[in-house]
Amino acid sequence: DIVMTQSPLSLPVTPGEPASMSCRSSQSLLHSNGYNYVHWYLQRPGKSPQLLIYLGSDRASGVPDRFSGSGSGTDFTLKISRVEAEDVGVYYCMQALQTLTFGGGTKVEIK
Amino acid sequence: EVQLVESGGGLVQSGGSLRLSCAASGFTFSTYWIHWVRQVPGRGLLWVSRISFDGSRADYADSVKGRFTISRDNAKSTLYLQMNSLRAEDTAVYYCARATSWGHYDYWGHGTLVTVSS
Repeated sequence: DIVMTQSPLSLPVTPGEPASMSCRSSQSLLHSNGYNYVHWYLQRPGKSPQLLIYLGSDRASGVPDRFSGSGSGTDFTLKISRVEAEDVGVYYCMQALQTLTFGGGTKVEIK
Repeated sequence: EVQLVESGGGLVQSGGSLRLSCAASGFTFSTYWIHWVRQVPGRGLLWVSRISFDGSRADYADSVKGRFTISRDNAKSTLYLQMNSLRAEDTAVYYCARATSWGHYDYWGHGTLVTVSS
């Protein structure tokens, strides 16, 4: 199985400041069709996960443009340009190139 | 509005069985692959199983293969997960999720908690 490794484990953030987190895969997630099969989710406390970014960099419907995804191959990044209080929760990356696997998550909390 | 509503969770003894359901509405159920994903409270997400839009193909995580069976009734827009020979390590919140052709989940249910007592 493809192993997804997220860092950091915990990310204290200040509202209004940028934030960035990393996701690395044990194998390349770049398909021959040119798409990276990595997706990002946010799970707010007590809620189900919600889709933020799909195929590495495409924002899901209704997701604010302060969220952006980048990267290719085995290294991916999720950035929040200006953190808001509602952004707290655990962020997960997931690969869908092979049998689905998730990263361990990055917990974002307000300083 | 797309909705996925799980039910059937509860407390069961080790070695017992449980059947989860996921009732879908707001979209054409028969045209989507649907997955089950579980989460031990306070821990990460783990893919469990998936079923093709017509039910002809099903896949399972190694940890549940041979014990869990996924199925669907497109006439009722409902997904099922039959869980047999349950173990303490199966204790988790079980989510159903709709998968797109790109492999990501665009809608998730609220989850149903399964607790297996040893």
